Amino acid sequence: QQQVKQSPQSLIVQKGGIPIINCAYENTAFDYFPWYQQFPGKGPALLIAIRPDVSEKKEGRFTISFNKSAKQFSLHIMDSQPGDSATYFCAASTRTDKLIFGTGTRLQVFP
Amino acid sequence: EADIYQTPRYLVIGTGKKITLECSQTMGHDKMYWYQQDPGMELHLIHYSYGVNSTEKGDLSSESTVSRIRTEHFPLTLESARPSHTSQYLCASSYIAGGPIFGPGTRLTVT
Repeated sequence: QQQVKQSPQSLIVQKGGIPIINCAYENTAFDYFPWYQQFPGKGPALLIAIRPDVSEKKEGRFTISFNKSAKQFSLHIMDSQPGDSATYFCAASTRTDKLIFGTGTRLQVFP
Repeated sequence: EADIYQTPRYLVIGTGKKITLECSQTMGHDKMYWYQQDPGMELHLIHYSYGVNSTEKGDLSSESTVSRIRTEHFPLTLESARPSHTSQYLCASSYIAGGPIFGPGTRLTVT
């Protein structure tokens, strides 16, 4: 049983578009929800993270929206650029450790 | 510069060989982790450690073993490599209150 469900599997947008990646979780004990960005041949890099006491967090062009009652959270990338083309993973955990990852979303941003 | 290092980056080895994947971090993090990731797929936790002489198995069963004799060092060993062990192995570390920071990974191919 997958504890963190991520969609879509892949996403294609034009430069300047706003891709949105969604995740849903089941375990109400989760209290840490990060997003990671991974380029081919590299390890995942922590992009932005949120805790359930806030509904939105913004860092630069990246925004997390969090809906505790629906047990869902999403990543929005404003003014997307070709350099944002990567695979994005959501994750969840209790106490920030032992992350459980979603299945990943491959994003392609075309010029 | 604080960082997390993995060696080798790529390894091609024959069936039955013993291998050790090295992971070191210079950030003084107490927590360290090993994740396994097939290309383009989600990450699965196989081992974690909360400190020296502390190791636990993760959610994904693995024939590998780990040790934590020094805070900065968390090697992973396969006593007898098999083709089913072919995958990417990612090491990560974190502070108590922070999300894991990943190394670049070791891509293992067992022939």
